[in-house]
Amino acid sequence: DGGITQSPKYLFRKEGQNVTLSCEQNLNHDAMYWYRQDPGQGLRLIYYSQIVNDFQKGDIAEGYSVSREKKESFPLTVTSAQKNPTAFYLCASRTAATGTGYTFGSGTRLTVV
Amino acid sequence: AQSVTQLDSQVPVFEEAPVELRCNYSSSVSVYLFWYVQYPNQGLQLLLKYLSGSTLVKGINGFEAEFNKSQTSFHLRKPSVHISDTAEYFCAVTKTSYDKVIFGPGTSLSVIP
Repeated sequence: DGGITQSPKYLFRKEGQNVTLSCEQNLNHDAMYWYRQDPGQGLRLIYYSQIVNDFQKGDIAEGYSVSREKKESFPLTVTSAQKNPTAFYLCASRTAATGTGYTFGSGTRLTVV
Repeated sequence: AQSVTQLDSQVPVFEEAPVELRCNYSSSVSVYLFWYVQYPNQGLQLLLKYLSGSTLVKGINGFEAEFNKSQTSFHLRKPSVHISDTAEYFCAVTKTSYDKVIFGPGTSLSVIP
């Protein structure tokens, strides 16, 4: 079955460490997105990519980095510069067809210890 | 720029009662509208979408929504809710071009037995 796989489901990070969240899709979708979700704040866009080897900053890109070397993969690195990284991270993808909604992964919960 | 407002952050409702979750949007251009549902610790799942045509849209799990252009609203309804409908519901909008999706802050629906 086609879908988006996020791993790991739970991740613990010590302060000062970089961590990378994985997002892989086998839907042949062109665009991929990373959102951060905090209680009561909905979804906030971190980064997105509409084509391989190209990506754009979203609303809260500071302290995060991404790469898009393959169409199927869009990993997110949470760097030590992100001061409050504890959150639920969601990856999504969509086709280039106008009006299509997102397909979401099941999320990664990151906790700083 | 588009924006989405969900006036009710929490909606408690008794089982088998009807429910309406409100969504209003602002945009200077035509838009596509979506409702997503999120169960605890999971990703978002598409409930329904409005692209064009009939203003009454039917989705999964017995939900429906009505697009009202004059009131810039896209309210979600279900005539009889079930315990399993307890979840977070997000309204979202995107322009008719290939663009990122803007999410509302979410409404937490709690179904009371």
